[in-house]
Amino acid sequence: DAGVIQSPRHEVTEMGQEVTLRCKPISGHNSLFWYRQTMMRGLELLIYFNNNVPIDDSGMPEDRFSAKMPNASFSTLKIQPSEPRDSAVYFCASSPLKGETYEQYFGPGTRLTVT
Amino acid sequence: GIQVEQSPPDLILQEGANSTLRCNFSDSVNNLQWFHQNPWGQLINLFYIPSGTKQNGRLSATTVATERYSLLYISSSQTTDSGVYFCAARNQGGKLIFGQGTELSVKP
Repeated sequence: DAGVIQSPRHEVTEMGQEVTLRCKPISGHNSLFWYRQTMMRGLELLIYFNNNVPIDDSGMPEDRFSAKMPNASFSTLKIQPSEPRDSAVYFCASSPLKGETYEQYFGPGTRLTVT
Repeated sequence: GIQVEQSPPDLILQEGANSTLRCNFSDSVNNLQWFHQNPWGQLINLFYIPSGTKQNGRLSATTVATERYSLLYISSSQTTDSGVYFCAARNQGGKLIFGQGTELSVKP
């Protein structure tokens, strides 16, 4: 299996621009998670989906952030407009079944820099 | 929500030494995982261990759920073991919460 795939691996953009991060979960997994990692806050969950349906988005920092999962093999995390404080590494993870008690597998991450 | 605390925050070892990393959590858990974040930033699954003991090569882990802690053992450490080790725990209905990590540096 190819594992969780994320793109791009690195993104540098200017403040105010729209940023779209992409994720392909492991085939057969039906739970998908978006995390953000910063030095100050560590690893924190932004949102997760079960069977393409958003279950908990309480970690999404503000309305500038949105996430979609149009099908079982693809998800996007969009930031519009981006700000310098959004600079972080964004990880996508997937898990089999309902994801409540099962092991999560992480993608390589997208390193976002907003100047 | 559940609180996850890891110790020590930093650890320097000579190659070949053994070490024990600890993870304390504040509530009963139905998911506990150990990860290694390598110097390139990749998060690698080590163990899924909400209870009991598992071993994988030079690494082993034990979770004592009733006492709310988990231990990660690294034996005969190698320079490639360097990086940050994270523990993450989840209780029923909650999110997977990560500890702040233990940064390990193994010197040749």
